[in-house]
Amino acid sequence: EVQLVESGGGLVQPGRSLRLSCAASGFTFDDYAIHWVRQAPGKGLEWVSGMSWNSGTIGYADSVKGRFTISRDNAKNSLYLQMISLRAEDTAFYYCAKDATPGDSGSYSFDYWGQGTLVTVSS
Amino acid sequence: QSALTQPASVSGSPGQSITISCTGTNSDIGGYNYVSWYQQHPGKAPKVMIYDVNNRPSGVSNRFSGSKSGNTASLTISGLQAEDEADYFCSSYTSSSTVVFGGGTKLTVL
Repeated sequence: EVQLVESGGGLVQPGRSLRLSCAASGFTFDDYAIHWVRQAPGKGLEWVSGMSWNSGTIGYADSVKGRFTISRDNAKNSLYLQMISLRAEDTAFYYCAKDATPGDSGSYSFDYWGQGTLVTVSS
Repeated sequence: QSALTQPASVSGSPGQSITISCTGTNSDIGGYNYVSWYQQHPGKAPKVMIYDVNNRPSGVSNRFSGSKSGNTASLTISGLQAEDEADYFCSSYTSSSTVVFGGGTKLTVL
């Protein structure tokens, strides 16, 4: 069974940092791109970042570029999101999501999602 | 990158068919066949219903279908059932190598 489990969320003050983790199991982790998608409470979905299976292709939404860094450790079946200079508008549930298609290109379609971890940025 | 445009809400009676539209630009929907649709029930993670415009993952009912014409993608749900009531989001790959989502559509089954 495919599982994605996020952790690391919590309450943080504006301007501070936080690191999210996503532990994956039930599939060949290093065959797939993995993404971060966030959702502010009661709002829509926003793609945050994605990384290909071999870390060769990385993308960020304009809203987080320069502040967030995605990384992965294929030996640990884990994905990470380092967030710095956090703002109130970064408050959201953060989901990790698996690309539906293996390999370099991927499909940017997400077939499995974690349950999310809540990040609250507030003083 | 602006969000894709979806109607805020649609409704239908059990057994009916409904269609949700998702409008983008030549830089996203119109330029690639990487359109997906997600269903989200309250308090739950999203679930993919359609990927690559019109492909249905295993386990998803064949009552769900997708299509695309120009810069607009559509999700059609036929034989509407009570459990279909949820929020629906479209997404597309973009020319900036990012993903853009629609604002979401709340489906009410009357």
